[in-house]
Amino acid sequence: ELKVEQNPLFLSMQEGKNYTIYCNYSTTSDRLYWYRQDPGKSLESLFVLLSNGAVKQEGRLMASLDTKARLSTLHITAAVHDLSATYFCAPLLDEKLTFGTGTRLTIIP
Amino acid sequence: DTAVSQTPKYLVTQMGNDKSIKCEQNLGHDTMYWYKQDSKKFLKIMFSYNNKELIINETVPNRFSPKSPDKAHLNLHINSLELGDSAVYFCASSSRGTQYFGPGTRLTVL
Repeated sequence: ELKVEQNPLFLSMQEGKNYTIYCNYSTTSDRLYWYRQDPGKSLESLFVLLSNGAVKQEGRLMASLDTKARLSTLHITAAVHDLSATYFCAPLLDEKLTFGTGTRLTIIP
Repeated sequence: DTAVSQTPKYLVTQMGNDKSIKCEQNLGHDTMYWYKQDSKKFLKIMFSYNNKELIINETVPNRFSPKSPDKAHLNLHINSLELGDSAVYFCASSSRGTQYFGPGTRLTVL
């Protein structure tokens, strides 16, 4: 069974700072997704990473994938308040997404 | 235009009752899913249907029964509701790619 761990679970950071969220998973997967969830809202797809070494960037967020280490990272650059949300990684295996525990990110002015 | 919609948005009911949640997608996707998100925000897949055929059935009590009348709809019926069923239930759809999620149904069992 695929297991997914994210760390940290909670992250408070000041505006303007950089930080990285880590996602480790236990077995080889077909691809990996990152989702964002605002409080009381649905999940919004941010990135899909298809192969080893893949890197995707959108605004202040950058995601990468190392399939050999079974590790994905979500890097936040110069954080702004609008990025406050919960972020989930989710490897896909056999057409099934397994979600990580989520990282609740709070950006402090 | 809503891509994946669910009704109702909120559902408050007593233990032992039977309730249904409806999901519809207008994306033309072949596959639909039900997920459960608990109070700690942990999100887990329950069921998946592809072209009205059940393809994923996780370890879910048989009080939960999905029904797909056509590939644009996937409903979830829950019998004999228990306190532990309180959660947010999300429907999603995909076509061999990114899964798109509905707004969620917050179920509260009293």
